Amino acid sequence: AQSVTQLDSQVPVFEEAPVELRCNYSSSVSVYLFWYVQYPNQGLQLLLKYLSGSTLVESINGFEAEFNKSQTSFHLRKPSVHISDTAEYFCAVTGRYGGATNKLIFGTGTLLAVQP
Amino acid sequence: KAGVTQTPRYLIKTRGQQVTLSCSPISGHRSVSWYQQTPGQGLQFLFEYFSETQRNKGNFPGRFSGRQFSNSRSEMNVSTLELGDSALYLCASSPGPTDTQYFGPGTRLTVL
Repeated sequence: AQSVTQLDSQVPVFEEAPVELRCNYSSSVSVYLFWYVQYPNQGLQLLLKYLSGSTLVESINGFEAEFNKSQTSFHLRKPSVHISDTAEYFCAVTGRYGGATNKLIFGTGTLLAVQP
Repeated sequence: KAGVTQTPRYLIKTRGQQVTLSCSPISGHRSVSWYQQTPGQGLQFLFEYFSETQRNKGNFPGRFSGRQFSNSRSEMNVSTLELGDSALYLCASSPGPTDTQYFGPGTRLTVL
């Protein structure tokens, strides 16, 4: 079984400042890791994912996350945030078993509140 | 490609009624999963379908059921609604059972 911990329920930050949203997971098997973003009254949008290969993954809008197996972490970072980045961010994990299901286990979410 | 569509977007029901929610996956996607999102419990997995077969089910009572049709469209049904069933129900589709999931906008269900 897997679990995900997002320790910060809310992260206030000023515009153009850097930000890090923390995500730790636990699993007895290898995992795939995801970050999803949810804007108010909308569904979840995939931000970035780690499946295999390079441990540093990037999104098209400047976010990046690094898979750290020894720390069991997948923290999300952005060097300079914009007001439009204000949203709730969810870290998710699914186990890597051959032919297994696609069940995503989500963290409780982190509200990124960007202030002018 | 069009994204995942869910209908209706909003629903208001009363306790004891039943409700059916619909999900149309991205064209070519054969796997559909359902999640419930509430402020108290967060995002929880309901069930997953692939090629009309339920592959996995979350820890929800039997009042929650679903199915998938031959065109990969999926429906979920909740019978004997309770106040606690008020939630945003999200559908996600993927090409196959181990592929990345893409979410729809959700159906907001309010039970009065």
